[in-house]
This record gives sequence, structure tokens and C-alpha cells, in this order.
Amino acid sequence: KAGVTQTPRYLIKTRGQQVTLSCSPISGHRSVSWYQQTPGQGLQFLFEYFSETQRNKGNFPGRFSGRQFSNSRSEMNVSTLELGDSALYLCATRKMADSNTEAFFGQGTRLTVV
Amino acid sequence: AQSVTQLGSHVSVSEGALVLLRCNYSSSVPPYLFWYVQYPNQGLQLLLKYTSAATLVKGINGFEAEFKKSETSFHLTKPSAHMSDAAEYFCAVSDRTSGTYKYIFGTGTRLKVLA
Repeated sequence: KAGVTQTPRYLIKTRGQQVTLSCSPISGHRSVSWYQQTPGQGLQFLFEYFSETQRNKGNFPGRFSGRQFSNSRSEMNVSTLELGDSALYLCATRKMADSNTEAFFGQGTRLTVV
Repeated sequence: AQSVTQLGSHVSVSEGALVLLRCNYSSSVPPYLFWYVQYPNQGLQLLLKYTSAATLVKGINGFEAEFKKSETSFHLTKPSAHMSDAAEYFCAVSDRTSGTYKYIFGTGTRLKVLA
């Protein structure tokens, strides 16, 4: 059974550019969440999608956005990149939207903004 | 609001010694609790979860955790550390009251295993 796939694994972008990250969930998983991991702030919730609808959003500026497609694949976009956006972006998927079902994480996309 | 506190950002143990990683949560009702492990340049892998069934939860790789409501704790233990256990460990709570379904993570504990 294939796991959660995130692409690309590594990205280097310049300040002011925009970036799109992709997440393909485990087959049958309909809930996709995104997290940002940095040494200073740890793991922070960005947003969650279920059945193509954003169910919850974390405390991030509007430059961070996402979407989910009918096949449950999700993308997140960061516009007008800042140096502080450098982080490991993790995607987590669940079979159901219930809070007691565990999330399975991808290997992440390491974004470096220069 | 729910929160998770992990005491000790770095823990060192000798190979074969007991591993104890501490996690305390703050919640008005018992939450769903999880322990994840992260190896360098990898995502998070679930070790175990507590969802109101048994208070002693057994996970993968010989790890277990005990939910103690009176102490609002969910500490992770392993009787005998192995070199391969060196990694960063995260405790997380999943909000079960507000319907947000997001994880709130602790700040992580980096485990070092000494030969």
C-alpha cells in the first residue's frame, strides 16, 4: 500500500516568488492536512481539507493557500515568498475526518527561500 | 484551548537503558493523544495512540505509553533503548471538542542513544 507522497522533496526559491507543493494521499484517505515545521516554531497547523472543502485553517497569512481535488490530492501554494517561509512542509492524510483516526505523514517538502 | 508540553528537548540514554519521554496535556476533557517519531529528513511515523480505550497503550518498536488522567500525562516508555531509537519524538493531541480535527504538537524531544 503506497504511502503519502509529497512532491517535490526539495525546493529552492527566491524571495518574492511563489511555490506550489503537492500531496497525494493514501488511497481511500479523504482528509488532507498541511503542517509547517521549523526549528523555531516547531510543527504548526496550516489547514485541512476534506472532500474538496477547507474545514479548518491555522494562523497563517493569506499568502498561504491550498486546495483539494476530487481525487483527494491536495496542493498548497505560498505566494510572495519570504525568508521566514523556509521550512519543512508536511502533508498528513486520514481515512476519515474523525479526530481519533491517526494521520499518516508524507516525507515532506523542504523549502528553502534565498 | 488544548496544549501539549514535552519536558526535556534533549534526552540521552545508554543503549539498553530505560527510555522515558514526558508529555503532559492541557484539556478540559480527555483528548485523543498520539506519539510520533521523526527520523532525520523524514516525515512523522505514528508510534501509538490513545483514544479512550485502554489506558496502557502498546505501540510499534517496543514503545508503550500510559494515559494518566489525574496527572494529565501520556509519557512514552521503552524498557531497553536501541541505537536505532535515536530520533525526535513528538506528542500530539487531537481536539475532540471543537471539531477542528487538527493536531497540536509538543515541541519535540530529541533522543540520543549512547553506545
